[in-house]
Amino acid sequence: KQEVTQIPAALSVPEGENLVLNCSFTDSAIYNLQWFRQDPGKGLTSLLLIQSSQREQTSGRLNASLDKSSGRSTLYIAASQPGDSATYLCAVKGGSARQLTFGSGTQLTVLP
Amino acid sequence: EAGVTQFPSHSVIEKGQTVTLRCDPISGHDNLYWYRRVMGKEIKFLLHFVKESKQDESGMPNNRFLAERTGGTYSTLKVQPAELEDSGVYFCASSQGLAYNEQFFGPGTRLTVL
Repeated sequence: KQEVTQIPAALSVPEGENLVLNCSFTDSAIYNLQWFRQDPGKGLTSLLLIQSSQREQTSGRLNASLDKSSGRSTLYIAASQPGDSATYLCAVKGGSARQLTFGSGTQLTVLP
Repeated sequence: EAGVTQFPSHSVIEKGQTVTLRCDPISGHDNLYWYRRVMGKEIKFLLHFVKESKQDESGMPNNRFLAERTGGTYSTLKVQPAELEDSGVYFCASSQGLAYNEQFFGPGTRLTVL
């Protein structure tokens, strides 16, 4: 059974700082991994999708990496802004199942 | 292009009542998923439709939950009778085609059972 862990559970940083969010998963037989953002009371916004054959994906100030063999992914946010404050969720799609298995998320606060 | 939509956004019902949640996927997306997050827990998979067929319903908690997708377009998730532990946020997601494609999520329905 796939398990996804996100560390840290919460993170508070000053504006402008670069930061890294971590995600680990127990079963390396995955199709892909998605990073989402969730604002309070809102739905999930897909940020980046990394296929199992890829090592990283970039979108603007975001960069996600994937090391499938070690069961790890990181989300790097450059030059953080207060508008980046949200909960960031990692989810993997693996094996014969097509559903996503989610981590519990990292709650990020960027202080002005 | 419209995203995944869900209705209602909030629902407050009493224990024992029935509630029906609706999801409209992105047009052309054959895959439709239901997930939920109950208080303090991770988002968990409920079931997966491919067009009108249930591909995987291994996450459905019990037989009080019934999902349908008649005609392969929108889907409904009925909870009957609702229990206190059913409270949470119910998300719908859709994707095109193959297993490696991205899933797009709706805003969710917040269900409160009193």
